[in-house]
Amino acid sequence: QLQLQESGPGLVKPSETLSLTCTVSGGSISSDTYFWGWIRQPPGKGLEWIGTIYYSGTTYYNSSLKSRVTMSVDTPKNQFSLKLNSVTAADTAVYYCARQSWASMAAPFDYWGQGTLVTVSS
Amino acid sequence: QSALTQPASVSGSPGQSITISCTGTSSDIGGYNYVSWYQQHPGKAPKLMIYDVTYRPSGVSNRFSGSKSGNTASLTISGLQAEDEADYYCISYTASVTVVFGGGTKVTVL
Repeated sequence: QLQLQESGPGLVKPSETLSLTCTVSGGSISSDTYFWGWIRQPPGKGLEWIGTIYYSGTTYYNSSLKSRVTMSVDTPKNQFSLKLNSVTAADTAVYYCARQSWASMAAPFDYWGQGTLVTVSS
Repeated sequence: QSALTQPASVSGSPGQSITISCTGTSSDIGGYNYVSWYQQHPGKAPKLMIYDVTYRPSGVSNRFSGSKSGNTASLTISGLQAEDEADYYCISYTASVTVVFGGGTKVTVL
């Protein structure tokens, strides 16, 4: 059974960089069959797509976050990562990693991590 | 990319049917049959309920169905049950090769 697990600091200071990693188990991130994405949810609010990455390193980003987002893959470790720089309190959210069920931006997110809360505060 | 428009809340009694709408534009919902729906209970990760407008993943109850007309997609829950009380989100592929979520709908079982 595929499992995804987010990890990273739960508290980040304003203006610094938020860094999260998603570890995939029960399947290979190097498969050419899937895309891998990040989605966030501010407390009490809706879901927002952040970006998606393919094992080759091809990325797709939300235009509203594109200037601050970098995603990468580490195939030997079966992980993919998110970096969001110059964070503010508005970036406080539960961050989810998820798999898209085929290698297309049109694919649905069929497996999700449990989510990790990141708070931006001094 | 603006968020898709969903009603903030929908309610129904047990056994009834309810429909949640999700309105976009010709650049997202209206242009492609790539709309999916997610159910989210409090404190939990979203769960895929419908994909490609009308398809149900294995294990999802057939009480959930999806449809689309023009720029609006819909999720219908038939035979409403207490366990269906949750937040529901739509998402669509867009012409910019991205995806966009709806704002979410809280379903209350009366």
